[in-house]
Amino acid sequence: QVQLQESGPGLVKPSQTLSLTCTVSGGSISSGAYYWSWIRQHPGKGLEWIGYIYYSGNTYYNPSLKSRLTISVDTSKNQFSLKLSSVTAADTAVYYCAREHFYSRVRFDPWGQGTLVTVSS
Amino acid sequence: QSALTQPASVSGSPGQSITISCTGTSSDVGGYAFVSWYQQHPGKAPKLMIYEVSNRPSGVPDRFSGSKSGNTASLTISGLQADDEAHYYCSSYTSSSPLLHVVFGGGTKLTVL
Repeated sequence: QVQLQESGPGLVKPSQTLSLTCTVSGGSISSGAYYWSWIRQHPGKGLEWIGYIYYSGNTYYNPSLKSRLTISVDTSKNQFSLKLSSVTAADTAVYYCAREHFYSRVRFDPWGQGTLVTVSS
Repeated sequence: QSALTQPASVSGSPGQSITISCTGTSSDVGGYAFVSWYQQHPGKAPKLMIYEVSNRPSGVPDRFSGSKSGNTASLTISGLQADDEAHYYCSSYTSSSPLLHVVFGGGTKLTVL
């Protein structure tokens, strides 16, 4: 059974870079059947798709975040990562990683447990 | 403002049925068979309940069903149980400009009375 786990700092200063890693266990990130996604949820709000990466390194980003966003993959560690630069308080959110089925779009399953990232000085 | 419109709240008594709507456009809900529904309990990650409009992942009770008509998708929960109380989010593949890939609804709080 595939499981995902986010890790990274819970507190980031304004203007700095938010960095998170998602570790995949129970399955290979190199499977061609999935995209590997980041999704966030602002406190008390709905879900916002951030972007995805394919095992080959191909990425697709939310246009509203694209200029600040980098998603990368390390197949040797079975991990993928998110970097969001120049953060502000508006980037405070719970960040989730999730697996999306390649042939069944927006079928996100499973999800990581989520990690709260607070942007504050 | 979310791209997909959901009612903010719905409620029902145990044993009853409720339906949550999710309205989009022909560029998302109406144009593709890629609509999913997620259940989220407080402090927990979302859980996939329905994918491709009406398919249930293994382990999801058949009390949960999905459908679509035009630009509106619906999630119906029959035989309401206390544990169904949660937030529910719809999502759809989209080809809207600027290209986004995925849009979510704003979420619906289900209260089991």
